[in-house]
Amino acid sequence: GIQVEQSPPDLILQEGANSTLRCNFSDSVNNLQWFHQNPWGQLINLFYIPSGTKQNGRLSATTVATERYSLLYISSSQTTDSGVYFCAGPNSGNTPLVFGKGTRLSVIA
Amino acid sequence: NAGVTQTPKFRILKIGQSMTLQCAQDMNHNYMYWYRQDPGMGLKLIYYSVGAGITDKGEVPNGYNVSRSTTEDFPLRLELAAPSQTSVYFCASSLNTNTEAFFGQGTRLTVV
Repeated sequence: GIQVEQSPPDLILQEGANSTLRCNFSDSVNNLQWFHQNPWGQLINLFYIPSGTKQNGRLSATTVATERYSLLYISSSQTTDSGVYFCAGPNSGNTPLVFGKGTRLSVIA
Repeated sequence: NAGVTQTPKFRILKIGQSMTLQCAQDMNHNYMYWYRQDPGMGLKLIYYSVGAGITDKGEVPNGYNVSRSTTEDFPLRLELAAPSQTSVYFCASSLNTNTEAFFGQGTRLTVV
């Protein structure tokens, strides 16, 4: 099945810094989502982004489907950005999401 | 709009006990999913359903059963709880596999 690799596994940032998280897929995907798992364990939808670029406030995401990767940009990070960021994509055209192991982000004041 | 609702939020089971984790969605989604998340790991698919009356195994189905009698509900059954089933369980739904999936708040289960 599809393999989803996220990097880096851990990231520590000073408040106000910018960061880029990467997600690589072993096969092409036609559905890709980014989630934020907050310190209370809730999974929050960030982006549904099969291709192209989307922005939502300080966060933006870009997926290059032909090259099988997606990037999540966090600008001017805040302590509330801390948590684990997951990307997920389907195994094939009509199968459920397969998750990466996540990037654990800690933003320090 | 409640989205995806899971109950209970927390549960402690003794080895060998059984229980059902409830999941309901009010978005009229066809697809529903159960995932488990072990500490420090990503989510692994247990079972999923593409519509009422249809279920299929995911990556880690052993020790679990599901049913889908209605579009709204997708309960997960643990028959003989084992310590290896200690985990956080997430239910999710989507209109189909090419649309956005939405997750419930999770059930934290401990088997002792």
